[in-house]
Amino acid sequence: GAGVSQSPSNKVTEKGKDVELRCDPISGHTALYWYRQSLGQGLEFLIYFQGNSAPDKSGLPSDRFSAERTGGSVSTLTIQRTQQEDSAVYLCASTPTGYLAKNIQYFGAGTRLSVL
Amino acid sequence: AQKITQTQPGMFVQEKEAVTLDCTYDTSDPSYGLFWYKQPSSGEMIFLIYQGSYDQQNATEGRYSLNFQKARKSANLVISASQLGDSAMYFCAMTPQGGNQFYFGTGTSLTVIP
Repeated sequence: GAGVSQSPSNKVTEKGKDVELRCDPISGHTALYWYRQSLGQGLEFLIYFQGNSAPDKSGLPSDRFSAERTGGSVSTLTIQRTQQEDSAVYLCASTPTGYLAKNIQYFGAGTRLSVL
Repeated sequence: AQKITQTQPGMFVQEKEAVTLDCTYDTSDPSYGLFWYKQPSSGEMIFLIYQGSYDQQNATEGRYSLNFQKARKSANLVISASQLGDSAMYFCAMTPQGGNQFYFGTGTSLTVIP
């Protein structure tokens, strides 16, 4: 498909386990964002990748969270030693570029993470 | 600091009527973009409309229009002729020119009543 793809769509894990969430952006989009959305809340920025530049990690809530983007395309968000408060929907978005104000974000369907 | 405020946690509108969803923002950047997204129960965020801070005219996209009042720092979304399928969460967002981040409001839940 031509849209942003996220996998898995749902993930149930036990407290203390590590999880990996994947995002495949729209082909050719240079910018990629990760957000967290807790139940009934708005979007919380986590991390931003733009091309080959160093990522903006200012939104990561703790050092248990990390993300990488290989080859300027697919991105993986890793949460180590998951906690119950990590339960949320994790959304990925991509944009054609990160340098314009008219920079429409295209979102994936998200990964719903449940930590038991 | 950037901030987006949506003061209406929930709204109801009769089918075929118009509805306005409020959004105010706070920024010191001279140039910025404003966006509205729709999030149906399926969870995916859908782009609706964009307004640039230097655009002279209010943006329109089909049944969606943006009532942009720069001096008041407000960017309200107007949905005309509401349809049942418009029932969803609506988020206002802003990004500064050349900035990395998008700032989202807490959303407004819209319910269209038949």
